Amino acid sequence: GAGVSQSPSNKVTEKGKDVELRCDPISGHTALYWYRQSLGQGLEFLIYFQGNSAPDKSGLPSDRFSAERTGGSVSTLTIQRTQQEDSAVYLCASSTSGPEQFFGPGTRLTVL
Amino acid sequence: EDQVTQSPEALRLQEGESSSLNCSYTVSGLRGLFWYRQDPGKGPEFLFTLYSAGEEKEKERLKATLTKKESFLHITAPKPEDSATYLCAVQAPSGSARQLTFGSGTQLTVLP
Repeated sequence: GAGVSQSPSNKVTEKGKDVELRCDPISGHTALYWYRQSLGQGLEFLIYFQGNSAPDKSGLPSDRFSAERTGGSVSTLTIQRTQQEDSAVYLCASSTSGPEQFFGPGTRLTVL
Repeated sequence: EDQVTQSPEALRLQEGESSSLNCSYTVSGLRGLFWYRQDPGKGPEFLFTLYSAGEEKEKERLKATLTKKESFLHITAPKPEDSATYLCAVQAPSGSARQLTFGSGTQLTVLP
């Protein structure tokens, strides 16, 4: 079956611009996660959605970052007024009620 | 605060040369420990979940084990296609949080 998909695969933007990153989870998966992977560092949790519950935003690094999940499926991560330190690979994962998370291929964001 | 430390950072093996990767963790109660494989430019690929000390899981040339303080990923007679970064992550039962805390990974290179 289809896995987690993310778009775009690569995004180059200028400092100060806003960007939107999209994630399509595996069909039927109720939980969706966003992580960030910076060069030479481990994956860093950003935000978690579970069904219709309020999202866990505890990992968002600043108020420039936000995310929404429409209809319990597709999610969009928005970064406003991008900074060079936002450059990273943004990974989306989804899961069922079990603990295993399945990752998409990621979006590589470069802020010039 | 949950912490995951992986060692070594990088490992080079000759084809057929067995070895082990280490993942040490500090967490207040362990819901699960996860191993992922990540190839360059791709998202992490799920390998194993371990839940309690003494548990072992196997898949082809890989075997994961778990104690109360660490996990090992044993690679038996590796092949060049086993070259990848191996990531360890923990999930702690802190409230409703289900996010994973990742280590920085071990970059494995298997030479033909």
